[in-house]
Amino acid sequence: DGGITQSPKYLFRKEGQNVTLSCEQNLNHDAMYWYRQDPGQGLRLIYYSQIVNDFQKGDIAEGYSVSREKKESFPLTVTSAQKNPTAFYLCASTQQGRQGTQYFGPGTRLTVL
Amino acid sequence: GIQVEQSPPDLILQEGANSTLRCNFSDSVNNLQWFHQNPWGQLINLFYIPSGTKQNGRLSATTVATERYSLLYISSSQTTDSGVYFCALWYNNNDMRFGAGTRLTVKP
Repeated sequence: DGGITQSPKYLFRKEGQNVTLSCEQNLNHDAMYWYRQDPGQGLRLIYYSQIVNDFQKGDIAEGYSVSREKKESFPLTVTSAQKNPTAFYLCASTQQGRQGTQYFGPGTRLTVL
Repeated sequence: GIQVEQSPPDLILQEGANSTLRCNFSDSVNNLQWFHQNPWGQLINLFYIPSGTKQNGRLSATTVATERYSLLYISSSQTTDSGVYFCALWYNNNDMRFGAGTRLTVKP
């Protein structure tokens, strides 16, 4: 079945460490997105990528980095510069950018110890 | 930037009841989606509805773009309908803006 996978499901990090969250899709979608969700809140855009080897900052990109070397993959690195990284992270993709239906992965819950 | 407001923020229903969730937005939009986030965090597409009315089983949605609102109707609610309902709109070409959500609890 086609879909979006994220790993790991739960991630614990010590302060000062970088961690990378995985996002893979087999939907053949061009555009991929990373969102952050804090408890009781909506989603906020971190980064997005419309095509391979290109990505753009969203509203809250500070302290995060991404890469898009393959169409299927869009990993997110949470760096030590992110002051409050504990949150639920969701990856999404669309076939046609802003005109398309957006599909989401199951999410990664990151906790900083 | 565009503002997306959802109401009510919280809703508690008895199983079998009907409900209407509202999404107001501050600017014209080309597209709008409704999502359901289940208790495990998974976001599920319900509708892609930039205008008009769509129905899928017990759920239906209507968007009146000229008046800048969308409604999600849930009929004969079930406990599995519980969760958070979000509306989201594309803004500034590549940015999808989410409302704060309506948290629905359906009691047996």
